Amino acid sequence: AQTVTQSQPEMSVQEAETVTLSCTYDTSENNYYLFWYKQPPSRQMILVIRQEAYKQQNATENRFSVNFQKAAKSFSLKISDSQLGDTAMYFCAFIDNYGQNFVFGPGTRLSVLP
Amino acid sequence: NAGVTQTPKFQVLKTGQSMTLQCAQDMNHEYMSWYRQDPGMGLRLIHYSVGAGITDQGEVPNGYNVSRSTTEDFPLRLLSAAPSQTSVYFCASSYSTRAGYEQYFGPGTRLTVT
Repeated sequence: AQTVTQSQPEMSVQEAETVTLSCTYDTSENNYYLFWYKQPPSRQMILVIRQEAYKQQNATENRFSVNFQKAAKSFSLKISDSQLGDTAMYFCAFIDNYGQNFVFGPGTRLSVLP
Repeated sequence: NAGVTQTPKFQVLKTGQSMTLQCAQDMNHEYMSWYRQDPGMGLRLIHYSVGAGITDQGEVPNGYNVSRSTTEDFPLRLLSAAPSQTSVYFCASSYSTRAGYEQYFGPGTRLTVT
C-alpha cells in the first residue's frame, strides 16, 4: 500500500523568507502523480502544485516550486517570498496512474510571521 | 459552473441517528470520492466511485454507505451515527486524461456526533 509521510507537523517562517516543506512517499508504482494542497482556516482544499512522476523537470507555479527526487521518493515544496496569506495547513498527496488510490500525508501547519 | 457542492456545511447528530451528506458536481467527472479529515491524520478515503453504478471501499469504509445513481451525485450515508464519526467530511470529483490528473474538493461538512 502507498504511504505518504510529512515529518514536520509545524513550521514557521518570516514574511518574505523562503521555506521548504518535506514529503516522502512509498510506492511500487512507476507512474503516478504527486500534489501539494493548501488548506487555509476556511477549510477549502486548494491545489498548489502538481507533479507527474514521468516528468523529470520539477514543477513550478509562481512562488511555489517542488524538488522531486523519484529515486529517493521525495517531493518537497519550496515557498519563496512567503506571504501572510500562505499561513495554512499543507498536505502532500499521491495518486497512482489509475486514479483510484488517493493518499494524503498528515499535513504540515505553516505559520508566516510578520 | 458550481464545481463540487456539499450540503449541509454543519450538522450535529445524536448517537444512533442516521443522515445523508449530499455531494454534487457539474463537471461531468467520472471519479468521485468521500474523505474524512481528523486532526493530525490528514484526509482518509472512505468510499469512491469510478462512474455511475460503480462504487468501492477506501481506507475507512465502516459505518458508511454510498451509491452513485448518476454522474453528478454521490451521497454518503451514515446509518447509525457514532461519536467516532465526528469529523470534517470532504467530497471530491476528479478526472484523468493523457494530460494529467485533476481533483476538485467541495467546501466540506463538519459533523459532530454527541
